[in-house]
Amino acid sequence: GAVVSQHPSRVICKSGTSVKIECRSLDFQATTMFWYRQFPKQSLMLMATSNEGSKATYEQGVEKDKFLINHASLTLSTLTVTSAHPEDSSFYICSARGTARENQYFGPGTRLLVL
Amino acid sequence: GDSVTQMEGPVTLSEEAFLTINCTYTATGYPSLFWYVQYPGEGLQLLLKATKADDKGSNKGFEATYRKETTSFHLEKGSVQVSDSAVYFCAPSDTGRRALTFGSGTRLQVQP
Repeated sequence: GAVVSQHPSRVICKSGTSVKIECRSLDFQATTMFWYRQFPKQSLMLMATSNEGSKATYEQGVEKDKFLINHASLTLSTLTVTSAHPEDSSFYICSARGTARENQYFGPGTRLLVL
Repeated sequence: GDSVTQMEGPVTLSEEAFLTINCTYTATGYPSLFWYVQYPGEGLQLLLKATKADDKGSNKGFEATYRKETTSFHLEKGSVQVSDSAVYFCAPSDTGRRALTFGSGTRLQVQP
């Protein structure tokens, strides 16, 4: 159990376009979802925390108007990278945690390349 | 905020060698402590965890003990295999919203 999926797994887009990444908990209800960003050969940096039905809480230095997060249901959170630029190219990873769960379960990640 | 210091890699070992990856942390309160593993081309997987002082987490031959007095959570394995080659991340979880703070990751390469 405790499977988290992400879609798409890989996306290439032109500079200036917006990209939506979906994160789904497949077999549990995720009251909290986290979005991370990972640069090549580096660690994961927490971008934001979202609770179902509430506005996301962004980490310092993360632009909330640039990275729009919606957690509309207990099984789905979306991250939209608006007006993407090459410096937004990265590996984006979500994780989900249910009400009674201590652990976070990670999605496989989405690799974004902005040309 | 919370922070984590992991030993830098890559760590290169021969098969069946003993492994230690050091991890120390700073945190407010008493966080839960986790080790995650990322195999090449895959997402993060929970390897083991400990939720209170002196707890020992273990899985797949790996162990780590929650040492409150030294704020450490070192990962050990008695005999590594080639299939253990991966990047290992130490991560405390804050006691509030339970967000993870990741260490820099330690790449382990096990040679046959």
